[in-house]
Formats: sequence, structure tokens, C-alpha cells
Amino acid sequence: TQLLEQSPQFLSIQEGENLTVYCNSSSVFSSLQWYRQEPGEGPVLLVTVVTGGEVKKLKRLTFQFGDARKDSSLHITAAQPGDTGLYLCETGTASKLTFGTGTRLQVTL
Amino acid sequence: NAGVTQTPKFQVLKTGQSMTLQCAQDMNHEYMSWYRQDPGMGLRLIHYSVGAGITDQGEVPNGYNVSRSTTEDFPLRLLSAAPSQTSVYFCASSYTGGSSYEQYFGPGTRLTVT
Repeated sequence: TQLLEQSPQFLSIQEGENLTVYCNSSSVFSSLQWYRQEPGEGPVLLVTVVTGGEVKKLKRLTFQFGDARKDSSLHITAAQPGDTGLYLCETGTASKLTFGTGTRLQVTL
Repeated sequence: NAGVTQTPKFQVLKTGQSMTLQCAQDMNHEYMSWYRQDPGMGLRLIHYSVGAGITDQGEVPNGYNVSRSTTEDFPLRLLSAAPSQTSVYFCASSYTGGSSYEQYFGPGTRLTVT
């Protein structure tokens, strides 16, 4: 099973700050998904990255896939309270879909 | 288009009781899965299905059964509930046309076993 390490585990910042969270593995990713989970709800898909070096933007969120496809990052510009949640990365095949343990982000006013 | 629905939202069981968690999707996805989410453990795959009539075990299958008689439904059965099965359970579905599994999750069932 591919192990995914996410860092940091917790992040508490003020509105307007920038932040980056990371997802790393010792193995090559076939593809990688990022999700956000709000309290009491299921994870919601944000993006899929497939190609090494790929960069995708979703409003203030920028997702990057490492050239070697072993790591990925999520950068949030000018964080807002609505960005609060648990950010999860996921990879694998049908029988071995694996989630990282997540980064819990708290954005305060 | 309701997406993935799960029932019930909350459930309390006594040790030894059995129950079925319901999951349905209306997106015609072939792939469906069940996860449990525990503090500090992340999401762990219990069982999955790649199509009607086909199911297989994930990382933590013990104490759970599944069946997939239709594309839409994927119920999870707890055979004899134990306190260790206290968790939040999520059902998900995905299109499998490519190499990635972009999963759509239900709202979850919070289960407490006393």
C-alpha cells in the first residue's frame, strides 16, 4: 500500500495569509486527487493531477504535481474562513486507494 | 441529481447487534467503496466494488460484509457490532474511465457501538 504523508498536520492562520500544504510518498503516483472535508460532511473533490510538473489553479488554490510524481503541494493565496477544513490527498488503484491523514486548516478572522 | 446518499445519518448500536448502512448513487458510476474515518487514522478502505456483482476487500474488511446487486446500491452490513467499529462511515462512487479515481462521497453515517 502506498503511504502518503501530509504536512503539516495542523495549521492555524489568519485571514489574508498564504499557506502551502504538502503530500509526499516514496513511490511514484499514477495520479493524485486533492479533497477538502468540512466538519460533519464527506470529502469533496478539488482537483486531479496526472502529469509530472503539472500546475492547476482553482480560484485562490494552486495545485502542483512534482516532476517525479512523488509529491504534490496545495498553495492557498489570501486564505479566507471558508477555506477552513481538512485537506486530504489520495492516490492508488481500485484495490489500493489510499488517503493521507490530512492537514487540518483553521482560518480565523 | 442527488449524487451519493447514505442512511442513516446517526446510529447507536449495542455490542452484538447487526445492522446495514445504506448507500446509493445516481451517477451510473461503476466503482463504489466504503471507508471508515477515525481520528488520527484518516480514511481507510473497508470494501469496494468495480461493478454490479463484483466486490472485494479493502484494508480493514473484518466484521463487515457488502453486496452489489445493482449499479446504484452498495449496502454495508455489520454482522455483530463491536465498540471498535465506532466510527464515521463514508460511501463513495467514482467513474473509472481513466487512471484516476475521482470519488464522490456521501454525507456519512456516524455510528456508535456501546
